[in-house]
Amino acid sequence: DAGVIQSPRHEVTEMGQEVTLRCKPISGHDYLFWYRQTMMRGLELLIYFNNNVPIDDSGMPEDRFSAKMPNASFSTLKIQPSEPRDSAVYFCASSFGGATRDQPQHFGDGTRLSIL
Amino acid sequence: AQSVTQLDSHVSVSEGTPVLLRCNYSSSYSPSLFWYVQHPNKGLQLLLKYTSAATLVKGINGFEAEFKKSETSFHLTKPSAHMSDAAEYFCVVSRYFGNEKLTFGTGTRLTIIP
Repeated sequence: DAGVIQSPRHEVTEMGQEVTLRCKPISGHDYLFWYRQTMMRGLELLIYFNNNVPIDDSGMPEDRFSAKMPNASFSTLKIQPSEPRDSAVYFCASSFGGATRDQPQHFGDGTRLSIL
Repeated sequence: AQSVTQLDSHVSVSEGTPVLLRCNYSSSYSPSLFWYVQHPNKGLQLLLKYTSAATLVKGINGFEAEFKKSETSFHLTKPSAHMSDAAEYFCVVSRYFGNEKLTFGTGTRLTIIP
């Protein structure tokens, strides 16, 4: 079975540019999560969706960050304008049923983002 | 509130010797606990999970963990380390009901000495 698919795997862009990260969750999963991983802060949950609806975006660092899930098989995380401190690895994860069913989250391989 | 503490940031063992990665948790509710592994340039992969059934949980690749409520611990063990076990390991806690947020430990980097 295909796992969580993220694109691009690597992104290098200049400060001020718009960045769009993409995620395809596992088919049938109803929860989707966006995380950011840095050496300094470890893994941080940015936002999560249930049935395509954003449930908790309290981890989104600033208004420059936005996330959408137009359908059950696709989500985007957008940064506009990007800044060097946004450089990190961004992970998407999906699960079925969430914590109430003790279902684990399945992670993609991440997008390594570098803002110059 | 819930939290998880990984007691060692870095563990080194020789190939063929036992592995012990330590994790303590704090939770106001009956928790679900997980161990995830992250290999370089990869996402996190689930090793095993505890969800209030058996206290000794077996996972993939020969790993297992024991839930000890009295010690609020969930240590990860493996009898014999293999070179392919070199990776970063995360202990994770979640609430059983409601809130879907996971709380991640800071990670333990496991190095295997040939």
